Amino acid sequence: SQTIHQWPATLVQPVGSPLSLECTVEGTSNPNLYWYRQAAGRGLQLLFYSVGIGQISSEVPQNLSASRPQDRQFILSSKKLLLSDSGFYLCAWSRARVRNQPQHFGDGTRLSIL
Amino acid sequence: DQQVKQNSPSLSVQEGRISILNCDYTNSMFDYFLWYKKYPAEGPTFLISISSIKDKNEDGRFTVFLNKSAKHLSLHIVPSQPGDSAVYFCAASLNTGFQKLVFGTGTRLLVSP
Repeated sequence: SQTIHQWPATLVQPVGSPLSLECTVEGTSNPNLYWYRQAAGRGLQLLFYSVGIGQISSEVPQNLSASRPQDRQFILSSKKLLLSDSGFYLCAWSRARVRNQPQHFGDGTRLSIL
Repeated sequence: DQQVKQNSPSLSVQEGRISILNCDYTNSMFDYFLWYKKYPAEGPTFLISISSIKDKNEDGRFTVFLNKSAKHLSLHIVPSQPGDSAVYFCAASLNTGFQKLVFGTGTRLLVSP
């Protein structure tokens, strides 16, 4: 069966510091990968998606970037965090090239910027 | 522009009764719809989905209904159990060679014993 891991579970960072959140998927190959953010009281907003190694698409302009150095690894980064980057960050995967497949989520990282 | 809306932020139901969660969407191009359940400090868990070519899909206690003319879908949970207490998100998908999900803001369901 497939599993998705995200770490860390919680993170407290000062404004202006860098960020690296990691996500890995096991039990599947060539997945589509996604980064979402959930701000307080709001739905999930898609930040980035990737259909293959080195292929990243951004959905919204922001202070963050994503990379996919390996097939089942997805990284969310920032060089300098802003207060507005606080939120709950979720990684997800889905089967590639198959219509109407659900996305499956990790347990998320709660990021607090001080 | 909120393309997927869940107008009820919360719902309280007694154990054993039916829970009905509603979701409206504006984009008629959406062709796949999903419901997710989320507990605090966890990621959303996929519950059930429906393709736009159907109007009903059932899985155990969970049934999703789709009314395309009204651009409305609903999730029925029968019978409701205390363990169903969570936040429920509906999502809609636009398949343009890549499946992008658009999520509603969620409805918090509380099932009391």
